[in-house]
Amino acid sequence: LAKTTQPISMDSYEGQEVNITCSHNNIATNDYITWYQQFPSQGPRFIIQGYKTKVTNEVASLFIPADRKSSTLSLPRVSLSDTAVYYCLVGLRGSYIPTFGRGTSLIVHP
Amino acid sequence: GAVVSQHPSWVICKSGTSVKIECRSLDFQATTMFWYRQFPKQSLMLMATSNEGSKATYEQGVEKDKFLINHASLTLSTLTVTSAHPEDSSFYICSARDGLAGTAPDTQYFGPGTRLTVL
Repeated sequence: LAKTTQPISMDSYEGQEVNITCSHNNIATNDYITWYQQFPSQGPRFIIQGYKTKVTNEVASLFIPADRKSSTLSLPRVSLSDTAVYYCLVGLRGSYIPTFGRGTSLIVHP
Repeated sequence: GAVVSQHPSWVICKSGTSVKIECRSLDFQATTMFWYRQFPKQSLMLMATSNEGSKATYEQGVEKDKFLINHASLTLSTLTVTSAHPEDSSFYICSARDGLAGTAPDTQYFGPGTRLTVL
């Protein structure tokens, strides 16, 4: 299983763009990269998933360089409600066992 | 999107009793479900992988006789904490893989979690 490394914590302010980078040096050829958001006392919520280059949805963008050894979750114009823990997971489509690293605790300040 | 429910959302029990937690995929079939435990300020720890119609696969260090998992249908998995003790107090979360018609290639959908407090 590809191990992931993320910053433990980040601080930002309302309205700013936040970029959280995840390192996954041992990512396998068929692995996908998935990001989740978790609020206290709630289950994780799917944010975005990608394989290569750039993926964008209504809440975030995911940038994956050509070597795929890292990925960056980009949250545009964060608000206080984006304060949460963000996890990146890497695994083979359809068969991987999702294991969570420590995640990144994002705190958005007024 | 796909929805996973858990019941109960919280439970308080006495030491020595057993507690059952249900995990349901409401609008999709889940051949595989996962059970996690999360202590305060920590990440999710995978306890076991539950496959419909077969025995669960437990992670190292998780007692299968204490944490009984049953996955009798494609939409329901249960976790029973037997003879619960205060150290079992935690936040239990299930997830289900939508491998049939998900909106992404391989997406896990998580339940809201169950807060277990053992007195």
